[in-house]
Parts: sequence; structure tokens; C-alpha cells
Amino acid sequence: LAKTTQPISMDSYEGQEVNITCSHNNIATNDYITWYQQFPSQGPRFIIQGYKTKVTNEVASLFIPADRKSSTLSLPRVSLSDTAVYYCLVGDNTGGFKTIFGAGTRLFVKA
Amino acid sequence: GAGVSQTPSNKVTEKGKYVELRCDPISGHTALYWYRQSLGQGPEFLIYFQGTGAADDSGLPNDRFFAVRPEGSVSTLKIQRTERGDSAVYLCASSLMGAYGYTFGSGTRLTVV
Repeated sequence: LAKTTQPISMDSYEGQEVNITCSHNNIATNDYITWYQQFPSQGPRFIIQGYKTKVTNEVASLFIPADRKSSTLSLPRVSLSDTAVYYCLVGDNTGGFKTIFGAGTRLFVKA
Repeated sequence: GAGVSQTPSNKVTEKGKYVELRCDPISGHTALYWYRQSLGQGPEFLIYFQGTGAADDSGLPNDRFFAVRPEGSVSTLKIQRTERGDSAVYLCASSLMGAYGYTFGSGTRLTVV
């Protein structure tokens, strides 16, 4: 399973765009990249998943370069409620897979 | 149900006791996962069920931990002879085969005193 590396923490202000980059140098051909968000006292919540190029949904965008050795989660115009831990995961999504969470990135959004 | 339900939400037990933690996945989800999360850490994989069988139990720390899913829906994580180091939040997640991402429950906070 590919290991991921993310910044331990990031600070931002309300209304700014936040980009969190994850490194996954050993990503395999069948691996997808998935991001989760976790608030205190809650389980992680799925945000977005992608395989290559760019994926966008109502919450975030995910940018994946051609070599797929990294990915960037982009949160547009963050608010205080986006303060959370964000996890980047890499794994095979074709039939259910063992997902390894790292320590994640703690995002602090300030007023 | 609408989401993944875990009971109890909190459990305090004495060292050496036996505990059972229950997970009710989303109806129809064939895959079920158990994780353990310590303070300040990411969730740690324990075991993965596909239907009734444990497809991967390589994350179980030792033979004091056991999980079952007899009818392919509800799962129970069982911990024998609990130790203080077992204190953590135990998270359950479920998904459809090949679906994007998992849906997690809110977890059971286990405290061994």
C-alpha cells in the first residue's frame, strides 16, 4: 500500500482558498486518491476521490498531476467550520480495500 | 438506517474485563471496516469484512481482539482481558463494493481504567 505524506498543520483565514498537498511517490496503477475530513468526536467524512487530472464537487477540487505522485486538495473560500483534520489516502478502489490513514493535516481557519 | 450506528458511544471498563462494541452499517453495504483511533493520530485499520467473512484481519493487534459479522450486516468487535492501552475511539465504516469512500460512524470511546 502506498504511503502518503502531508503537512502536519496549516493555518488560514476565512474566505481564503486552501490547498493541501499530499505526496504518494509509490502510488500503484490501480490506486485511487481519496480525501477525508474529520471533526472532533466524529468519524472521518468522505470529501472527494480521483484517479487523474482534476475532479470537482460541491465541496472541493482535487488536482492530480500526470505522474500521480502527489495530489492537492483545494478548498475554496474556507470558513471557520472547515477547521478539521484532512486525510489523504491511496488505495485500490475496485473491490474494497484496506485503507491506511496517516496522521492527516490539521487545518485551522481563523476569523 | 440512514447512517452507520455505533453503540455504545462511550464505554468505561476495568482492566481485565471483556467488552463488546457494536456496529450497525448502512443497509445494503456489503463491506464493513473497523478502525481504532488514538488521540492525535489517524485511524488505524483493524479488520475488514466482505459479507459475513473477515477478508482481512491483519490489523488486529493480538488474539484478545476478535470481530464477527454473522449475518452480513451488524458487526461486533470483541475485546478480551482489556488493557489500559486498548483505550481509544473505535470507529466502524461501511461501503458498497467499489463505491467511492466509506461512511463512518461516530465511534465508541473506550476507556479502560
